[in-house]
Amino acid sequence: AQKITQTQPGMFVQEKEAVTLDCTYDTSDQSYGLFWYKQPSSGEMIFLIYQGSYDEQNATEGRYSLNFQKARKSANLVISASQLGDSAMYFCAMTPERGSGTYKYIFGTGTRLKVLA
Amino acid sequence: DVKVTQSSRYLVKRTGEKVFLECVQDMDHENMFWYRQDPGLGLRLIYFSYDVKMKEKGDIPEGYSVSREKKERFSLILESASTNQTSMYLCASRLNTGNRELFFGEGSRLTVL
Repeated sequence: AQKITQTQPGMFVQEKEAVTLDCTYDTSDQSYGLFWYKQPSSGEMIFLIYQGSYDEQNATEGRYSLNFQKARKSANLVISASQLGDSAMYFCAMTPERGSGTYKYIFGTGTRLKVLA
Repeated sequence: DVKVTQSSRYLVKRTGEKVFLECVQDMDHENMFWYRQDPGLGLRLIYFSYDVKMKEKGDIPEGYSVSREKKERFSLILESASTNQTSMYLCASRLNTGNRELFFGEGSRLTVL
């Protein structure tokens, strides 16, 4: 069965430090995409970063990088130089990239990050 | 700036009322989605539309219906609202190619009394 696991319900990080948010996944698909989204208290889900299962390099987008370890089925999000505005809920998600089920995104239950001044 | 707009941020309805949640996207995306978000349960797919007048049931379609008469608009309908439908509803859209990242609206928080 497809599953996303985020084991950290909440985390704290000091401003300007780096933080890693954990995500492990389970899938029988050979080709899949992994995503991270940020949800501030306002409610909107904001796309942060994408990693394809066949991408050999870890994805990076500004201060966000995705530590992709395919053999361990993990896709951790690393936020460098944390800012107060990074305080939010973070969701890891996955979808197959081939076949008829590409609309079936599986989301984790989220990690609430609080950045301390 | 690309955008997914949900018509109402906050709604309060009574049990048994018919409720319409509207979603409009300006990115010419083929695919649109309605999710429900509840604490501890993550996001759950209610319905998916892959094109105009096309729809697929998601994981929790019971008590909901949808309408997609135009490409940019996807409506979620609660025929007879119940208290267990109190939730945050998120609309999303995406292209059917490329990375397929979802673009979300700001959400509609529905309370059914």
